[in-house]
Amino acid sequence: TQLLEQSPQFLSIQEGENLTVYCNSSSVFSSLQWYRQEPGEGPVLLVTVVTGGEVKKLKRLTFQFGDARKDSSLHITAAQPGDTGLYLCAGDMIKAAGNKLTFGGGTRVLVKP
Amino acid sequence: DVKVTQSSRYLVKRTGEKVFLECVQDMDHENMFWYRQDPGLGLRLIYFSYDVKMKEKGDIPEGYSVSREKKERFSLILESASTNQTSMYLCASSFGEGPNDPPPYEQYFGPGTRLTVT
Repeated sequence: TQLLEQSPQFLSIQEGENLTVYCNSSSVFSSLQWYRQEPGEGPVLLVTVVTGGEVKKLKRLTFQFGDARKDSSLHITAAQPGDTGLYLCAGDMIKAAGNKLTFGGGTRVLVKP
Repeated sequence: DVKVTQSSRYLVKRTGEKVFLECVQDMDHENMFWYRQDPGLGLRLIYFSYDVKMKEKGDIPEGYSVSREKKERFSLILESASTNQTSMYLCASSFGEGPNDPPPYEQYFGPGTRLTVT
């Protein structure tokens, strides 16, 4: 059982459409990161959210951390083929030992031109 | 920019061989991690290290060992490779003074090594 559940697992949309990816847990996290991974490459850090209710924007990407710090969402406006990739959320649990992160299973996004 | 490099992008080994995967980071990070990534199973932590010569088991350490003789280098060793160790191996590093550091624990990943064991 994943401590961080991502949904949907797969999303295929046309260029110009909007999409939202969700990351949910029953656990509270001190912070949460979003990564994007392209095929054959390692994940690249996009953003870190720390405060409950926080909203961060990165060009066409909007990240939100839930008020209770148990969930997060990633919204992409006017998606482009370059947004194609595997999106991973990762959080550090408040009571976890060490500097480990808990990763979600990922959402594979395909943006068709 | 943080740079994490891995010794090979692709590797093909035979069953029973000893395999070394090397990872080097140039940001003076204390913490380093080895993951494997398999379809449908996500990222799974094999081992991590929060200081030179320190190591801790992750979720799936069986069949693997690690070495951290220098701060910038973290090696993953497959003592006797098996076909079920065919996978994408990812190394990551993060800043931190020790196992009880305050978050966030942002990790920076290398490009990965796709290992095939035949």
